[in-house]
Amino acid sequence: TAGITQAPTSQILAAGRSMTLRCTQDMRHNAMYWYRQDLGLGLRLIHYSNTAGTTGKGEVPDGYSVSRANTDDFPLTLASAVPSQTSVYFCASSRDAHNEQFFGPGTRLTVL
Amino acid sequence: ILNVEQSPQSLHVQEGDSTNFTCSFPSSNFYALHWYRWETAKSPEALFVMTLNGDEKKKGQISATLNTKEGYSYLYIKGSQPEDSATYLCAFHDNDYKLSFGAGTTVTVRA
Repeated sequence: TAGITQAPTSQILAAGRSMTLRCTQDMRHNAMYWYRQDLGLGLRLIHYSNTAGTTGKGEVPDGYSVSRANTDDFPLTLASAVPSQTSVYFCASSRDAHNEQFFGPGTRLTVL
Repeated sequence: ILNVEQSPQSLHVQEGDSTNFTCSFPSSNFYALHWYRWETAKSPEALFVMTLNGDEKKKGQISATLNTKEGYSYLYIKGSQPEDSATYLCAFHDNDYKLSFGAGTTVTVRA
């Protein structure tokens, strides 16, 4: 099984441009998450969704939006990218909101 | 923003030696404490999810303990092997089900 996939693997983006990072899981997990990983700061939660149709803000939501139209997909959109959004982005899912999380392979985004 | 701290930030261990390191977290609004193992160029993988005070979990040569009253968890590696080299993340799960990660302890096992 694929588990949880992310696309693209990496991307270089000009500041001011928009971008959607894709995340798909085939485990029928209810909960999904987006994190960013920055050196020395660990993983920080951007947005989450406890079930299809609902989303919530994490620790660092500004500049990002998400949607959860169905169980499998949880795209993350940067409406107008800024250099401080240069990071590695990890999508994760869990069976329910209180279970262990399974992580995707990550997307490395560079905003110039 | 929840204060989840891990120490030390990094450590080097000789192959065959045992080691341990700490995760401290808020002692209120506790739901669970997660441990993840993160190897270079891979994604974090769950080791343990611990919910009860006094809980002890074990997977192979890696084990963890939990003290929710004082807000700390220890992760132990017995007889370290080079393949144990990784960053070990702990994460505090509050009653609102949000997960706050520590910055990790990076373990390097020297052959």
